[in-house]
Amino acid sequence: NAGVTQTPKFQVLKTGQSMTLQCAQDMNHEYMSWYRQDPGMGLRLIHYSVGAGITDQGEVPNGYNVSRSTTEDFPLRLLSAAPSQTSVYFCASSGTAINEQFFGPGTRLTVL
Amino acid sequence: KNQVEQSPQSLIILEGKNCTLQCNYTVSPFSNLRWYKQDTGRGPVSLTIMTFSENTKSNGRYTATLDADTKQSSLHITASQLSDSASYICVVSVGFQKLVFGTGTRLLVSP
Repeated sequence: NAGVTQTPKFQVLKTGQSMTLQCAQDMNHEYMSWYRQDPGMGLRLIHYSVGAGITDQGEVPNGYNVSRSTTEDFPLRLLSAAPSQTSVYFCASSGTAINEQFFGPGTRLTVL
Repeated sequence: KNQVEQSPQSLIILEGKNCTLQCNYTVSPFSNLRWYKQDTGRGPVSLTIMTFSENTKSNGRYTATLDADTKQSSLHITASQLSDSASYICVVSVGFQKLVFGTGTRLLVSP
């Protein structure tokens, strides 16, 4: 039981490049979400999904896309990276939005 | 506006001492309140989750309290250990879909 896994752990991009952050969970959780964490700020919700085929925007969705084709996977796509997207990204999963959330180890992204 | 405020921002205590972290919230409707521990470079890990009707919940040396009337919660750490050095994040569920995160308290336990 691996829990929530994220890849890559570190990534450096140039402005304008695109990439996908991977997230997978093996707990059969319906609810998955992506957060970014910046110094001095709380975790901020980017996008979330309440089940396969269903996604919705969170607090800071601009510049990011998500899809949920399976229960297990919830990738986050950066369409055209900007320096403002330099952050640590966490994926989380839970049975529902208000159940205990399990977080992945994070991806540290730097955009130059 | 839904908000979660934590205090202090940072704290240094000696190993073996106790400490209490505070969380004040203004959210509606309230579903539950949770405390997370986040070690440096890692994802948050849940310590406790409390619903409206729960006043106290313990997880080993961690004890969380909730006063729904004053909208305050505290996390008490007993007999601190070096491994308790981390950020502690208070999170409140709003309704059944939304979570509001505090900015965390950074705790350093010094030998």
